[in-house]
Amino acid sequence: EAQVTQNPRYLITVTGKKLTVTCSQNMNHEYMSWYRQDPGLGLRQIYYSMNVEVTDKGDVPEGYKVSRKEKRNFPLILESPSPNQTSLYFCASSLSIRGNSPLHFGNGTRLTVT
Amino acid sequence: GENVEQHPSTLSVQEGDSAVIKCTYSDSASNYFPWYKQELGKGPQLIIDIRSNVGEKKDQRIAVTLNKTAKHFSLHITETQPEDSAVYFCAARGTGRRALTFGSGTRLQVQP
Repeated sequence: EAQVTQNPRYLITVTGKKLTVTCSQNMNHEYMSWYRQDPGLGLRQIYYSMNVEVTDKGDVPEGYKVSRKEKRNFPLILESPSPNQTSLYFCASSLSIRGNSPLHFGNGTRLTVT
Repeated sequence: GENVEQHPSTLSVQEGDSAVIKCTYSDSASNYFPWYKQELGKGPQLIIDIRSNVGEKKDQRIAVTLNKTAKHFSLHITETQPEDSAVYFCAARGTGRRALTFGSGTRLQVQP
């Protein structure tokens, strides 16, 4: 089944404790992206990747890191999480950013930072 | 950059009625406008999209209209059913951007 898989689904952590949210897609998509969803703000892009070893900042990149060493994986790293990073996070992928290929989303990771 | 505004934030309708969600965008050169449906506990899923060279697109009970002059587009759901209850997001892709800009979402509740 074609899908975007995120782990974990739920994560509670404390301020300053490094964490990684994993994302993997099995559709051989070039483009991958991370979004955060907050009430009243919709989905805001954190980082994106056009292809392996190519990453770029989205609209709200502060406090986050990403890497794209393999085509299928795009982990989101919070080196020193803070309470304002408490949010619902989504990974998404598409065949290409060109031609308006549809975005496929994972089922989300709900992160709470205390 | 692109700015997308979505209204209403919540919408409650009776089963069988129609629902309309409206979005406006700021970049007149935007050329792609998808709509996503997010069910509880799941990620958004594309339900319909429209490109700037088309004024209207329909797929069974859902339709999207685009008014480029006014820079707004709308989602229309007819004969609503309880399974249409979800959060709906509009989005737009502006020129020179490599990402979609999303609206703030509309929570649609269909009362049986």
